[in-house]
Amino acid sequence: GQQLNQSPQSMFIQEGEDVSMNCTSSSIFNTWLWYKQDPGEGPVLLIALYKAGELTSNGRLTAQFGITRKDSFLNISASIPSDVGIYFCAGRNNDMRFGAGTRLTVKP
Amino acid sequence: ETGVTQTPRHLVMGMTNKKSLKCEQHLGHNAMYWYKQSAKKPLELMFVYNFKEQTENNSVPSRFSPECPNSSHLFLHLHTLQPEDSALYLCASSLGLAGTYEQFFGPGTRLTVL
Repeated sequence: GQQLNQSPQSMFIQEGEDVSMNCTSSSIFNTWLWYKQDPGEGPVLLIALYKAGELTSNGRLTAQFGITRKDSFLNISASIPSDVGIYFCAGRNNDMRFGAGTRLTVKP
Repeated sequence: ETGVTQTPRHLVMGMTNKKSLKCEQHLGHNAMYWYKQSAKKPLELMFVYNFKEQTENNSVPSRFSPECPNSSHLFLHLHTLQPEDSALYLCASSLGLAGTYEQFFGPGTRLTVL
């Protein structure tokens, strides 16, 4: 169905390292979105992708909408301690489906 | 206040209690949502309201009862909950339904059922 598989489930990295996470689905989505959730807060939209193949950046974040429309990835370059949190992918057609999240820990 | 606010931020209740969660959006949006967030699981959509009318109820048990008196306010009334209902309950809003418009989330209410 429209279930999203997000990986990895968690990451422990050193400050300054680059991070990569992805979402895959057996279904096609018209839009892919990436959210970040800080501890004790709700998810905040980071990047929205509207077209297959689209590559979009937001500061140190870069996300791509897969050509097949069944996947998306998010890269974070030169990680800093405030990047800590849970990153969610979401695919959208008539409604939204969320991945289970990638929990990122950044060690100073 | 700006964005989407939720109260209370934390709630501890017994299984026989009745309590309510409140959500308010200050964005001029027309659609509002309740989600349940459990550890290591995807967000579970519970209810959707569009222009105060409920458009979606994802097989949520009747011990959860939503109320949307106007487009800016959304409540979730809770009664005779079970310990497995302990979770973070997130409210979200969007200009229109989520098929077209981005959702903005509140900070959530952390609910613990004893």
